[in-house]
Amino acid sequence: EAGVAQSPRYKIIEKRQSVAFWCNPISGHATLYWYQQILGQGPKLLIQFQNNGVVDDSQLPKDRFSAERLKGVDSTLKIQPAKLEDSAVYLCASSLGLGPGELFFGEGSRLTVL
Amino acid sequence: DQQVKQNSPSLSVQEGRISILNCDYTNSMFDYFLWYKKYPAEGPTFLISISSIKDKNEDGRFTVFLNKSAKHLSLHIVPSQPGDSAVYFCAASALNRDDKIIFGKGTRLHILP
Repeated sequence: EAGVAQSPRYKIIEKRQSVAFWCNPISGHATLYWYQQILGQGPKLLIQFQNNGVVDDSQLPKDRFSAERLKGVDSTLKIQPAKLEDSAVYLCASSLGLGPGELFFGEGSRLTVL
Repeated sequence: DQQVKQNSPSLSVQEGRISILNCDYTNSMFDYFLWYKKYPAEGPTFLISISSIKDKNEDGRFTVFLNKSAKHLSLHIVPSQPGDSAVYFCAASALNRDDKIIFGKGTRLHILP
């Protein structure tokens, strides 16, 4: 079974530039999450999708971050414009979404904002 | 406001001995708890979970204990092996409200030869 795929693995940009990250969850997983992990911190939930609907985006900085999950499968997370404090690893995870269960994480996309 | 706290940033344990990682939570609505393990440059992987209706769950060398009255859980690894060196994240969810999973900051475990 293929795992959660993310790209790019690494991205370096200058502040005020834009960046987009892509995630392909495990086939059949209805729930998709984007987490931000800043160095030395635990993963922080940015947005949670159930199929193609948003369940929770309360911690997504909507003035600069946006995310979509078209057709309930792949998802894209965009940052525009980026700030220095956005430097982090962006983790995508998926789950069956049928009650208590584990999250399956991708390897993450490491963003450095200069 | 940190709802899931792992107060030990790091822990060193001799190979073969027991590793005990601790986690405290503040939200009494949490009823499902998970431990994740993370190697460098990889995403976290699920290790073990426990529901609030239980006080212990065991899977091979890994056991999680839950003390609801103290809002405390711990992960025991016995015996500790070199491959256990990683960052361990405690996580919690309030399934009776939503299934949002909140993570702690993590504890880096070093297994010494």
